[in-house]
Amino acid sequence: LAKTTQPISMDSYEGQEVNITCSHNNIATNDYITWYQQFPSQGPRFIIQGYKTKVTNEVASLFIPADRKSSTLSLPRVSLSDTAVYYCLVGDILTGGGNKLTFGTGTQLKVEL
Amino acid sequence: NAGVMQNPRHLVRRRGQEARLRCSPMKGHSHVYWYRQLPEEGLKFMVYLQKENIIDESGMPKERFSAEFPKEGPSILRIQQVVRGDSAAYFCASSPRQGTYYGYTFGSGTRLTVV
Repeated sequence: LAKTTQPISMDSYEGQEVNITCSHNNIATNDYITWYQQFPSQGPRFIIQGYKTKVTNEVASLFIPADRKSSTLSLPRVSLSDTAVYYCLVGDILTGGGNKLTFGTGTQLKVEL
Repeated sequence: NAGVMQNPRHLVRRRGQEARLRCSPMKGHSHVYWYRQLPEEGLKFMVYLQKENIIDESGMPKERFSAEFPKEGPSILRIQQVVRGDSAAYFCASSPRQGTYYGYTFGSGTRLTVV
């Protein structure tokens, strides 16, 4: 399983765009990149997943450069309710290895007025 | 369309007692995963089950912990003779098939406190 490194914490203000970068230098060919969000006293919630280039959904965008050694989660126009811990996970989702999601300590995002 | 349901939300046990944590997966999901989260840490995989089968229990402590997912009813994570170090949040997730292409759906967790 590829190890991931992401900032421990980030601060932002309402209305700003937030970019959280995750490093995964040892990513394997079959690995996908997945981001989860976790609020206090709740289980993680799936945000977005991708393999290469760019993925966008109604919540966020995920940018993955050609070498796939890092990825950036982009949250447009954050609000107070986006204050949470964000986890970057890397793993093989197609052959069963993805059964074991490996969560690091995540990035604590704090959004203020 | 209820999500993953876990109960109880909070559980207090004295050292040496047994703890039973229940997880009802989303409708149509036959794959269940249990994770444990210690304070200020990320979630750690414990066990992966399908109906009536344990597929991967590599994250389960060798003693006192067991899990099942019977043909009928919820999945159960059982901790015998609890100790203070078992105090944590236990999360259950479910998926409709093997792999995580669309991500897992997690429950809100059971917070176990051992006193």
